[in-house]
Amino acid sequence: NAGVTQTPKFRILKIGQSMTLQCTQDMNHNYMYWYRQDPGMGLKLIYYSVGAGITDKGEVPNGYNVSRSTTEDFPLRLELAAPSQTSVYFCASSYPGYQETQYFGPGTRLLVL
Amino acid sequence: AQSVTQLGSHVSVSEGALVLLRCNYSSSVPPYLFWYVQYPNQGLQLLLKYTSAATLVKGINGFEAEFKKSETSFHLTKPSAHMSDAAEYFCAVSDSGNQFYFGTGTSLTVIP
Repeated sequence: NAGVTQTPKFRILKIGQSMTLQCTQDMNHNYMYWYRQDPGMGLKLIYYSVGAGITDKGEVPNGYNVSRSTTEDFPLRLELAAPSQTSVYFCASSYPGYQETQYFGPGTRLLVL
Repeated sequence: AQSVTQLGSHVSVSEGALVLLRCNYSSSVPPYLFWYVQYPNQGLQLLLKYTSAATLVKGINGFEAEFKKSETSFHLTKPSAHMSDAAEYFCAVSDSGNQFYFGTGTSLTVIP
């Protein structure tokens, strides 16, 4: 049982490049989330999904896209990377319900230059 | 939208001393409240959560938190700090919209 896995661990992008951050969970959780963590700012929710085929925006969705074709996978897409997207990105999953514990992946550190 | 305020971005305590990390929330409805811990270069792990049962919640590693509705607070405490408690601690609140709101975090340093 690997829990929540994220790839890559670290990536450097040039301005305007695109990339996909991968997230996979093996706990059969319906709910999945993407957060970004900036120093002194805590975590901000980018997008979340309550099941395959269903996604919704969080607090800071601009510049990102998501899809959820399977229960296990929830990739995050950056289409035109900007320096403001330099951050640490965390994926999380949980059972249905806003009282449920979220299980976090180890994070992806992204640097946009 | 909900919000969470963590007072003190950095807290230092001596080993064996009381740990107190403060969290206040704003919520128009009864909230669910969480404390997560993040060790260096890792993701967040749940310490404890309040889900409208007992107001005093016990978590892992000897931590506990008390929900006080009148003060809109959910402070985290531990009677005796250990070196291994050094980490970043986040308070979070969730609402019925399936959104989670995290505080800005408190970095705990334990002095030997």
